Amino acid sequence: GENVEQHPSTLSVQEGDSAVIKCTYSDSASNYFPWYKQELGKRPQLIIDIRSNVGEKKDQRIAVTLNKTAKHFSLHITETQPEDSAVYFCAASNIQGAQKLVFGQGTRLTINP
Amino acid sequence: GAVVSQHPSRVICKSGTSVKIECRSLDFQATTMFWYRQFPKQSLMLMATSNEGSKATYEQGVEKDKFLINHASLTLSTLTVTSAHPEDSSFYICSAHSGGFYEQYFGPGTRLTVT
Repeated sequence: GENVEQHPSTLSVQEGDSAVIKCTYSDSASNYFPWYKQELGKRPQLIIDIRSNVGEKKDQRIAVTLNKTAKHFSLHITETQPEDSAVYFCAASNIQGAQKLVFGQGTRLTINP
Repeated sequence: GAVVSQHPSRVICKSGTSVKIECRSLDFQATTMFWYRQFPKQSLMLMATSNEGSKATYEQGVEKDKFLINHASLTLSTLTVTSAHPEDSSFYICSAHSGGFYEQYFGPGTRLTVT
């Protein structure tokens, strides 16, 4: 089955700097890669997603890149703000198959003012 | 749109009792619902996938007789934790998916504490 690895587990950056979180996946059939932000005790919130037919997607300060050949995808947050502090999860899914999401281990992002 | 609710949000029960958690899609029909468990400072782990009107598919290592899942309608799935023990204490989150869409919509989660 699918296996998703996420790095780093913790990340601390200065406010205004950029943050990058990386994930790799194992199943070449995976074709949908969402990123979630989760605050303590709350549900995961979708912040951006990318499909396998696209290499890059951007939404304001957030961007995701996908390299299907290498089976890795990354989340980029620019001009970080204190409210970006949270735990971020990547996930992979095969929409044409079981559709279930396999999550990475999570990254605790701390933005230092 | 695409709202998923969960009830209860928190529950405390005694060891050996059973607890039922409801997951509802409020404004769309969910052909598939997923149940996840999240222990403190850990990731979401899929427990089972349920499709309306059919038996749930459980992930490896998840006891189907302990975690009973019923998906009786396109808007409701229930998870019953039977004979709960302290090690079942966790954050249980459901998600709902509608055919033709990529995104899964998550419920707010249920914090289960077994004493």
